Amino acid sequence: EPEVTQTPSHQVTQMGQEVILRCVPISNHLYFYWYRQILGQKVEFLVSFYNNEISEKSEIFDDQFSVERPDGSNFTLKIRSTKLEDSAMYFCASSEAGRGQTEAFFGQGTRLTVV
Amino acid sequence: GQNIDQPTEMTATEGAIVQINCTYQTSGFNGLFWYQQHAGEAPTFLSYNVLDGLEEKGRFSSFLSRSKGYSYLLLKELQMKDSASYLCAPNTGFQKLVFGTGTRLLVSP
Repeated sequence: EPEVTQTPSHQVTQMGQEVILRCVPISNHLYFYWYRQILGQKVEFLVSFYNNEISEKSEIFDDQFSVERPDGSNFTLKIRSTKLEDSAMYFCASSEAGRGQTEAFFGQGTRLTVV
Repeated sequence: GQNIDQPTEMTATEGAIVQINCTYQTSGFNGLFWYQQHAGEAPTFLSYNVLDGLEEKGRFSSFLSRSKGYSYLLLKELQMKDSASYLCAPNTGFQKLVFGTGTRLLVSP
């Protein structure tokens, strides 16, 4: 069964460092998303991406965040200068269609710990 | 704005039936998703209701009333592995899912 894969599964970084979280969405999907979940809190939307550009972003997704689809398979989230409060589980997701018309499939997540 | 309300926690015993309610107020509405999330894992899709009424899928059913801003997830013949959080997510028509805080279900023997 096709799945969304994320690497690494766990990343520890020092405050102020840059991190890149990687995702390989399901191959025939066109819409890609990043969500995050701070420990014990709800899953929060960060950004959606379609046709090589951001289609929507939340207020969390400020200038320190960026996304990129560097080739035909990878989808990355970069955090330029990490802060302690960026510690969370980051989930990548993809869907066949946008506007919520089909379900989003989630990867297993990258647990980011900023120390 | 978005407002999604679910009970924080519910408990039930193996073999029982449990109903998890969700009320919502959103700007725009096209349907409602239910996701399951085990601790430390990713959310997984359970159901999507667009029209009013009950959708049945095996042991899980989901109901929607658009006029009342209300949905529920019904789990039958509960198993221990059903212990998880259940997330209600209205489809607001934008390119995102907005999740509630979820209902943590604890199934005991």
